[in-house]
Amino acid sequence: AQKITQTQPGMFVQEKEAVTLDCTYDTSDPSYGLFWYKQPSSGEMIFLIYQGSYDQQNATEGRYSLNFQKARKSANLVISASQLGDSAMYFCASPAPYYGQNFVFGPGTRLSVLP
Amino acid sequence: DADVTQTPRNRITKTGKRIMLECSQTKGHDRMYWYRQDPGLGLRLIYYSFDVKDINKGEISDGYSVSRQAQAKFSLSLESAIPNQTALYFCATSSGRDNQPQHFGDGTRLSIL
Repeated sequence: AQKITQTQPGMFVQEKEAVTLDCTYDTSDPSYGLFWYKQPSSGEMIFLIYQGSYDQQNATEGRYSLNFQKARKSANLVISASQLGDSAMYFCASPAPYYGQNFVFGPGTRLSVLP
Repeated sequence: DADVTQTPRNRITKTGKRIMLECSQTKGHDRMYWYRQDPGLGLRLIYYSFDVKDINKGEISDGYSVSRQAQAKFSLSLESAIPNQTALYFCATSSGRDNQPQHFGDGTRLSIL
C-alpha cells in the first residue's frame, strides 16, 4: 500500500476491555500485505500480526486479531482483554513498490491501558 | 542474542561531527534497510540494500550515506551531523517475501546538539 492512515493519535482503554485501533490504506495493487507492529516505551519495534489481501479469514494471533474489510481498505487491530503491558505505540505498515519493498508506516496510535 | 543488532544504542554528539551507526544481523536476509523515526511521522526510509553491491536511496537520503560491508553488516553515516537529524534510527532486515515482516533492531537514539 502506498499510503497508510491511522486517525487515532491516542486511545485509552480500561484493563481487561477490548480496543480497536484503526488503519486504512491506499493502494491500487491487487496483492498486498498489512502488518501491525508494537513499539513500547523502550523503543523496539515488535511484529504483532499480518494480513494478506487474498486471505479468506481475518488474521488472529493470541489476543490480537484483525478486522479486515477489503472493500473499505481498512485493517483494524483488535486487542482483546487489554493488559497494562499493552500500553505502547502501535503502527500499521505495508510494503510499497517504490523502494525495494520497504515498509510504509502510518503515524501510529498511542494506546494507554488504565488500571 | 538479538537477530538484528544496532550499535550504539544511544549517542549524543555535536553539530558538524561525523557519526556512524552500525547494524549487523544473523537472520541471513539479503535485504537491509535504514529508517528514521520522528514523533508523529512514523518511520521513513533513508537507504536500502539488496546485497553488498546494491545500495539505493530511500525517501529521505540527503545528509546520509551507507556502506554494506558484508551480507550481515549495513552501516549508516552522517558525514556532518545537524540538529534536525536528531531522531530514533532503526535498521531492519527482510527476506523479501510478501507475507514476511521486516525485523528491526532495537534502535539508536541519536541527539545532535
